[in-house]
Amino acid sequence: SYELTQPVSVSVALGQTAWITCEGDSVGDKSVHWYQQKSGQAPVLVIYRDTRRPSGIPERLSGSNSGNTATLTLTGAQAADEGDYYCQVWDSGTVVFGGGTKLTVL
Amino acid sequence: EVQLVESGGGLVQPGGSLRLSCAASGFTFHTYWMYWVRQSPGKGLVWVSSINSDGTTVEYADSVRGRFTVSKDYAKDTLYLQMNSLRAEDTALYYCARVNMAAAGTFDSWGQGTQVTVSS
Repeated sequence: SYELTQPVSVSVALGQTAWITCEGDSVGDKSVHWYQQKSGQAPVLVIYRDTRRPSGIPERLSGSNSGNTATLTLTGAQAADEGDYYCQVWDSGTVVFGGGTKLTVL
Repeated sequence: EVQLVESGGGLVQPGGSLRLSCAASGFTFHTYWMYWVRQSPGKGLVWVSSINSDGTTVEYADSVRGRFTVSKDYAKDTLYLQMNSLRAEDTALYYCARVNMAAAGTFDSWGQGTQVTVSS
């Protein structure tokens, strides 16, 4: 079965840039979606189709996808960005989530 | 405004049953695929079950197949998950989510979740 691998945790200083990766076999050939889950809350879609932002999502969140790695980039990290981030794709009609990455803003 | 409100969770003994509900509003319920996704304490998101827009196709994760049944009530705009033969490893927060197949299969709306605890 298809797997997506994310780092367990990423730390970033306030105002700096954080990168959260999502690795999978030829993931660049798939559409990757990203979700943010703050503590005690349901996940929220923040990036879809690799690079697109739903309405209301700040421009400091961006995405890219190529080869075997998709990346979520947070530019100018704020305290409000803390939480868990999950990547997601579809493989043969089945949804696949990455294991999640805990982002800490220092 | 799209809303998904889960209910029906609780504490149940191993081998017991629960029926989760997810009341949908703010969108045309019968045109969307709906999913159940669970999250064990401190863990990630795991797909449990899905049902297509007209209810003709249902799917289950291997871990729940044969024990769980997903269904839709179009008159009530409600999604259900009947869970039988519950095990300790089914303990989790259960979310229902709407999947937008027109937007590359994004989970674009989620409920707040309902907690299921299986313990003696």
